[in-house]
Amino acid sequence: DAGVIQSPRHEVTEMGQEVTLRCKPISGHNSLFWYRQTMMRGLELLIYFNNNVPIDDSGMPEDRFSAKMPNASFSTLKIQPSEPRDSAVYFCASSLRPNYGYTFGSGTRLTVV
Amino acid sequence: AQRVTQPEKLLSVFKGAPVELKCNYSYSGSPELFWYVQYSRQRLQLLLRHISRESIKGFTADLNKGETSFHLKKPFAQEEDSAMYYCALSGRGGGATNKLIFGTGTLLAVQP
Repeated sequence: DAGVIQSPRHEVTEMGQEVTLRCKPISGHNSLFWYRQTMMRGLELLIYFNNNVPIDDSGMPEDRFSAKMPNASFSTLKIQPSEPRDSAVYFCASSLRPNYGYTFGSGTRLTVV
Repeated sequence: AQRVTQPEKLLSVFKGAPVELKCNYSYSGSPELFWYVQYSRQRLQLLLRHISRESIKGFTADLNKGETSFHLKKPFAQEEDSAMYYCALSGRGGGATNKLIFGTGTLLAVQP
């Protein structure tokens, strides 16, 4: 298994543009998580899914952020419109069982100028 | 409420010195505790889980329920241990959620 796959690895966009981040979890994992990492705030859980259903989106900063998981092998995190303060590394992670821990993707480094 | 506290943002030690990265938690039920490591500009990797009581790369961590701590220790630090270390907690048992709550991380710098 290639692990959790995220794309793109880097994204530079202008303020106001729509940004879509993609994640492919490990096959068979039934939980998927989106995290944001910044120097100021560390790792923040944005949203997580169980069996493709959003369970907790309380970490999503505002309505500009949305996430979907149309099937067990794909998830997207969309920011529309993007702002400079959204610049961060966005990690996706998947898990089979919570006490096994998560497997993280390589992250998408987003820069909004 | 679930909370993980890592009081040190930076820990600098010399090669060969002992290392202890502190982690305290707050959780009303039975927690699962983890340590993750992130080397420079890489993905987070699971280092160890309290439930498995294992030693990885010479690191160990013991869950102390009385002190609500899960400190990470290594007797002799190596330069390649330099990285960001995150302590994390999730719930266990019926009704517990899957989500991991992370501490703010401690940057370990091992000097030659």
